[in-house]
Amino acid sequence: DIQMTQSPSSLSASVGDRVTITCRASQNIKGYLSWYQQKPGRAPKLLIYAASGLETGVPSRFSGSGSGTDFTLTISNLQPEDFATYYCQQGYDTPALTFGGGTKVEI
Amino acid sequence: EVQLVESGGGLVQPGGSLRLSCTTSGFTFITYWMIWVRQAPGKGLEWVASIKQDGSEKNYVDSVRGRFTISRDNARSSMYLEMNSLRADDTAVYYCARAPRGGTTIDFWGQGTLVTVSS
Repeated sequence: DIQMTQSPSSLSASVGDRVTITCRASQNIKGYLSWYQQKPGRAPKLLIYAASGLETGVPSRFSGSGSGTDFTLTISNLQPEDFATYYCQQGYDTPALTFGGGTKVEI
Repeated sequence: EVQLVESGGGLVQPGGSLRLSCTTSGFTFITYWMIWVRQAPGKGLEWVASIKQDGSEKNYVDSVRGRFTISRDNARSSMYLEMNSLRADDTAVYYCARAPRGGTTIDFWGQGTLVTVSS
């Protein structure tokens, strides 16, 4: 099974900051990496697919990069509505998907 | 508008059974892999099961294989999760989701249904 490790598990930031979250896969997953945002009591929302593809309707301050085993989600100019928990997910081993442990972005 | 609506959650005793349903609309159901993902209280996301467009391929996380069964009815644009021999660690919000791009990502999620396994 492919393991996904996110870091940090939580971070504190301010409005306007640039935030970077990393995700490491236990083996090469090429570019099959997605990022999701989840707010309390809500379903996750897709932000990035295929490592760097911006999902329709997602603000351009969100960006993804990486390939192989190391990936990054960057939020530039952090907005109040961006405070949430973020998850990465590998799709290389589809249909057996696995998620990272999550990163909580707090004020 | 794409919609996925789960139902069937509730309180069940350990060893009991429950059947979750996912009713969809707003897209061509038969062209998508569909999946179930769960989230235990205060925990992260866990993929549970996937089913191919025509139902010919089904996959499960190890912890539910042999106890859970995923199925779909393309005529009704619906998906199901039959859960047997439920355990306390199956307690979670269960999400129905659509998986495009060969099932490699998840672009639409339902609102979730809570399953609580407790005596």
